[in-house]
Amino acid sequence: DAGITQSPRHKVTETGTPVTLRCHQTENHRYMYWYRQDPGHGLRLIHYSYGVKDTDKGEVSDGYSVSRSKTEDFLLTLESATSSQTSVYFCATGLGDNEQFFGPGTRLTVL
Amino acid sequence: QKEVEQNSGPLSVPEGAIASLNCTYSDRGSQSFFWYRQYSGKSPELIMFIYSNGDKEDGRFTAQLNKASQYVSLLIRDSQPSDSATYLCAVSSLSSASKIIFGSGTRLSIRP
Repeated sequence: DAGITQSPRHKVTETGTPVTLRCHQTENHRYMYWYRQDPGHGLRLIHYSYGVKDTDKGEVSDGYSVSRSKTEDFLLTLESATSSQTSVYFCATGLGDNEQFFGPGTRLTVL
Repeated sequence: QKEVEQNSGPLSVPEGAIASLNCTYSDRGSQSFFWYRQYSGKSPELIMFIYSNGDKEDGRFTAQLNKASQYVSLLIRDSQPSDSATYLCAVSSLSSASKIIFGSGTRLSIRP
């Protein structure tokens, strides 16, 4: 893989609480992405970043925010977690319109 | 119509046979095509990419691209039980925020 780590790997939280997921890369890739994966829906893009402090929305961005203050770190925040945000979250990095490399994923459960 | 379509399966293939996985896409401007393999509970990993019409072979894997028909396929020869996984097709798209759009995946099961 491209030296991508995600933390935490598993998290259980309660409805209404804020949650932050972290993605860290060591490959100096310009692009970083957050996806969620749910049965029957495949990978859906939440937000992506094309550089430090440069981010944009994906197809399912409502209820999520991101920040990228360093090339290597991309944070995903659920502002007020809901049960519909129970999912597996994958971070990916890449160089643009070429292949993406995925982190190990974070399994999030919102009770 | 989804931008990248795959049959969800499961596709069941006997060990040693050829597994054929198919993907169609809607954006005629797509230039890059990828196949990812995802084992249950794991993250997707890239196994093949193809940019030009025709076939591209890598070991037991062959990717086939037909841009006129907007069709890309993955053939797995001499299928092994370890090939049992979900295979995701991904296509570059200028209309997508991330420039890459993923299909929902085809679940492949190799029966001994």
